[in-house]
Amino acid sequence: DTGVSQDPRHKITKRGQNVTFRCDPISEHNRLYWYRQTLGQGPEFLTYFQNEAQLEKSRLLSDRFSAERPKGSFSTLEIQRTEQGDSAMYLCASSERTGEGQFFGPGTRLTVL
Amino acid sequence: QKEVEQNSGPLSVPEGAIASLNCTYSDRGSQSFFWYRQYSGKSPELIMSIYSNGDKEDGRFTAQLNKASQYVSLLIRDSQPSDSATYLCALSSGTYKYIFGTGTRLKVLA
Repeated sequence: DTGVSQDPRHKITKRGQNVTFRCDPISEHNRLYWYRQTLGQGPEFLTYFQNEAQLEKSRLLSDRFSAERPKGSFSTLEIQRTEQGDSAMYLCASSERTGEGQFFGPGTRLTVL
Repeated sequence: QKEVEQNSGPLSVPEGAIASLNCTYSDRGSQSFFWYRQYSGKSPELIMSIYSNGDKEDGRFTAQLNKASQYVSLLIRDSQPSDSATYLCALSSGTYKYIFGTGTRLKVLA
C-alpha cells in the first residue's frame, strides 16, 4: 500500500502525559500537513512541512505541540502535558505540490482522560 | 463570515436520484477547490479537484465552479446508499493553506 499511514490509530492517555504520533506520507510527496478534527468540524490546519522544513505553524497551536520531519520523510507530532481539550482525531496528509489535492492518512484518534 | 460555508444537512435523497451539494467561499484569491468524502469515524478521501470555472466530470461525480459567484458544487448522479457520508468542501489559494468547510451530511435512502 503506497498511501499515507499513521501510527498509532488510537491513543488513550491520562491528562498531563506526553504523546507522540507518526505519519509516513506517500513516498513521492514532499509536502506534509498535520490537521486536527473534532466532531462536526472540518479538519483544522496545525502545521506544514516542505521536505524537512517546517514552513508554517498555526497560531492556534500552543507551545505544547511540536512537529518534526527529519530528512524529509516521516513526520512526528508530539503533544506535551496533554489536556482533555486535546482529544480529537489527528490527521496527516501529503501532496505532491502545494495547491493540489491532499491525500489523508487514516488518522490517530486521541482520547485524554 | 466563515471562509468556507456548507449547509450541515442532513441532505436526504432517494436511491438513484441526483444529490446536489453546495459550498460558498469568501476569499476571491482562492485558486483550487476540492471535494472530500468522509465516512463516519474515517479520514477524508479526495474525490474531486477543480481549478477553473465550469464543470468537471468524473464518473458519477460532477464538480461545478463559479468564481464570480464564489461557489462550488458537487453533483452525485445515480446516488447509492454507499454514498451516504459527509462531504467536505475545501479550497487553497495556491499556497500550503487549505481551508475546509464543516461538511454536508448526505443520506441516500434505499
